[in-house]
Amino acid sequence: VQLVQSGAEVKKPGESLRISCRVSGYSFTTFWITWVRRTPGKGLEWMGRIDPSDSHINYSPSFQGHVTISTDTSARTAYLHLSDLKASDTAIYYCARHRTSHDALDLWGQGTLVTVSS
Amino acid sequence: DIQMTQSPSTLSASVGDRVTLTCRASESCSRWLAWYQQKPGKAPKLLIYNAFSLESGVPSRFSGSGSGTEFSLTITSLQPDDFATYYCQQYNSYPWTFGQGTKVEIK
Repeated sequence: VQLVQSGAEVKKPGESLRISCRVSGYSFTTFWITWVRRTPGKGLEWMGRIDPSDSHINYSPSFQGHVTISTDTSARTAYLHLSDLKASDTAIYYCARHRTSHDALDLWGQGTLVTVSS
Repeated sequence: DIQMTQSPSTLSASVGDRVTLTCRASESCSRWLAWYQQKPGKAPKLLIYNAFSLESGVPSRFSGSGSGTEFSLTITSLQPDDFATYYCQQYNSYPWTFGQGTKVEIK
């Protein structure tokens, strides 16, 4: 049972990015997927979550309009798309799973380092 | 948003010590609170969920307590593997929020 994320990325300001999170070892539609990022300045930030069974999404107001979360059920993969990148988006991005809206994050991906620099 | 405040920011302790970390919420989270352990270069690991339930496979020296706005994580006998940063997180209401972390370091 694991969540495997795509590799590290280096981007320039203004560019876009997509991070993938492929799950294995359990039924993809049984658990929701949340995206969290960690920055030196703000610590861990919850960005949003998606229910793969119906694609219902909740975004954090802090990230609404800047990120898009999606899934490909056939590929058992969740995606985080970030647009108009800024230096402040430099962070480690994690996907993690949970069963319901009142459930802790019991399994995490390994993290994806994103560096935004001109 | 519910603000989560952890204290202390850093805790220096020795192997065998009993340590207690505190997490305070700006409004009630009921019992919807988790504790995670994170080591450098690794993803967070779930220790405690629903304020006091021990995640499967986590040693029993870890325990959680509290409800509403005041929560704590206790490690009864600190082991070398326990030196790490610990985060609390509320999942009572969106957006979910994390505390800033407590680093447990070797004294």
